[in-house]
Amino acid sequence: QSVLTQPPSASGTPGQRVTISCSGSSSNIGRNAVNWYQHLPGTAPKLLISSNNQRPSGVPDRFSGSKSGTSASLAISGLLSEDEVDYYCAAWDGSLHGYVFGTGTKVTVL
Amino acid sequence: QMQLQESGPGLVKPSETLSLSCTVSGGSISSSTNYWGWIRQPPGKGLEWMGSIYNSGSTYDNMSLKSRGTIFVDTSKNQFSLKLSSVTAADTAVYYCATGSPGDGMDVWGQGTTVIVSS
Repeated sequence: QSVLTQPPSASGTPGQRVTISCSGSSSNIGRNAVNWYQHLPGTAPKLLISSNNQRPSGVPDRFSGSKSGTSASLAISGLLSEDEVDYYCAAWDGSLHGYVFGTGTKVTVL
Repeated sequence: QMQLQESGPGLVKPSETLSLSCTVSGGSISSSTNYWGWIRQPPGKGLEWMGSIYNSGSTYDNMSLKSRGTIFVDTSKNQFSLKLSSVTAADTAVYYCATGSPGDGMDVWGQGTTVIVSS
């Protein structure tokens, strides 16, 4: 069972803005950077956001990340059909001495 | 542009040791400051970090593996590998290798390899 909790699903219509939350604790999000990954099962996951809010080269600015206290969020604006995949937050956990992924959120474009 | 490619057996018997390798191309493991990691996704479940090895040689493992996992680097082959002992059906998953810069997320991933544990 993951220590980072995400809603199992989120949805929106094309063009809308969708926000995914990631709830953790003082041992992970509270003191370490959050990363976000986009994943279509069976393919290589893609790093979307690094260090809370940094977009790696090539990631559209429709994707943005933020962090406050022991929670983080990923926002997808201008929702596209191709955004209909799974999203995971992740962070280092100092108590577990390991990297932890969130429970994952499946985004549906209505 | 660095690329990663996993390799290993697709089928492993229960109680045996699973061995997977990740070949690095487009860069040298020995001269890189990156960390190298393994992640898996069991059927119908989410991503699970298994462990990482750093340029310094330090390794970190997911405690839920109960010391069954070992990660090591073979610079002569420009590979890093995972060994997972005493496998059970619960270890059936798609296994990914990945890398990133210390302090950052994993920005280069392999395509993944499916491992089934079954007699």
